[in-house]
Amino acid sequence: SQQGEEDPQALSIQEGENATMNCSYKTSINNLQWYRQNSGRGLVHLILIRSNEREKHSGRLRVTLDTSKKSSSLLITASRAADTASYFCVTNAGGTSYGKLTFGQGTILTVHP
Amino acid sequence: DAGVTQSPTHLIKTRGQQVTLRCSPKSGHDTVSWYQQALGQGPQFIFQYYEEEERQRGNFPDRFSGHQFPNYSSELNVNALLLGDSALYLCASSLGPGRDTIYFGEGSWLTVV
Repeated sequence: SQQGEEDPQALSIQEGENATMNCSYKTSINNLQWYRQNSGRGLVHLILIRSNEREKHSGRLRVTLDTSKKSSSLLITASRAADTASYFCVTNAGGTSYGKLTFGQGTILTVHP
Repeated sequence: DAGVTQSPTHLIKTRGQQVTLRCSPKSGHDTVSWYQQALGQGPQFIFQYYEEEERQRGNFPDRFSGHQFPNYSSELNVNALLLGDSALYLCASSLGPGRDTIYFGEGSWLTVV
């Protein structure tokens, strides 16, 4: 079963605009990650935020985490056509399940040149 | 430095047949995980191998089995294929089973007809 649910399921924007994707999850987590997937191929790790962190930045990416609401958001600033991909919210429960990643259904981002 | 490599890239099997997918982890990595990704869905964890043993397993039937070799490479076997087994099968590797970030291969597309 899916742990996280991303919102929106699909997002279409113009190059240069910002893209915001949201994720909600159900159970306690050790950390939350965002991955990117181009055209149904391999997944690329983007950023990780731990349960005791509230915000993290990496280049044009900004991730927030609200453990009280069990939600996270990914902001991509100044988007480019090359950012077109599916983005997945991924949780890691930790404990005996450490290393078992649980993926949401993903947000399909389309950036128009 | 080679990343995670998987073979074959694409294959077509008939319902009821058996299939073996192969994975070589990233250089230096000793832990391999397998994920199934149906079209339009996020990846689902199948199992994880470390020290040639299955360490964790997701909610998949016994038709799904695996193996890890002394050189850390791994195989995923699926018996009695069903149409619903059609999916992208992703292999991921890490240095140790408890790592936060894992590295994915490009996947093997399996079509069952």
